[in-house]
Amino acid sequence: DTAVSQTPKYLVTQMGNDKSIKCEQNLGHDTMYWYKQDSKKFLKIMFSYNNKELIINETVPNRFSPKSPDKAHLNLHINSLELGDSAVYFCASSQESIQRLKTQYFGPGTRLLVL
Amino acid sequence: SQKIEQNSEALNIQEGKTATLTCNYTNYSPAYLQWYRQDPGRGPVFLLLIRENEKEKRKERLKVTFDTTLKQSLFHITASQPADSATYLCALASRAGKLIFGQGTTLQVKP
Repeated sequence: DTAVSQTPKYLVTQMGNDKSIKCEQNLGHDTMYWYKQDSKKFLKIMFSYNNKELIINETVPNRFSPKSPDKAHLNLHINSLELGDSAVYFCASSQESIQRLKTQYFGPGTRLLVL
Repeated sequence: SQKIEQNSEALNIQEGKTATLTCNYTNYSPAYLQWYRQDPGRGPVFLLLIRENEKEKRKERLKVTFDTTLKQSLFHITASQPADSATYLCALASRAGKLIFGQGTTLQVKP
C-alpha cells in the first residue's frame, strides 16, 4: 500500500500551459507539503498545509497555487508554465506532535519537463 | 542567510568500511536535525533524527552526531554494504517544524 502517492509520475508539457499535480496520503497525517528538487538536487519547500490551512508559503511565484480539499489531499496547480519550472516535485506528509518532531514521508515525485 | 553544506563530491568506499558523511550549517539554530536517504528516481526516506540537546544517536549500523558548537552533524554507516549506495540528505528543522535540506552527498559502496 502506497503511503504517499502522486500523479502523474511524468509530465511533459509546452511553455505557457497550465497543469496540475495531485497528491494523496493514507497515513492519517494532518500536515502535507510540496517540495521542488532542481537539477542540482536541492530540495526546497514550497508550501505546507496543516488541517487544510496554509502554514508555510515560501517565495514561490503566484503561478503556483496549492489546494487542499481535505487532510489527505494536497494538489498543486501551475499556471503559465515556464522553462525554469522543470524539476522534480515531491509531496510529503507528517503528523504534528506536541514536540513538533515532524518526520516527513515523501511521495515518489513528479518529473515535470517544460519544453 | 541560512546555509547548509554537504560534500557535493561523491564518496566512494570499499564494502565493510565505515562511511562518514558531513553536514555543516551556518546562520541557523536548529531545534533538531534529520538524515534522509534518497535513491535515484525516488523520494527521500527518513533515517534518523537527533535533537539539539543530544550528542549522538544510533540505529543499527547508523550513527549520527550533532555538535551545535561546531554547527556540524556527522552521519556514519558502519560495515557498509553496496546496498547502502544512495544519496544522503541532511535537513535542519526550526522549532516550527520547517525543514531546510542540504544538497546531499552521494555514497558509492564498492564490493
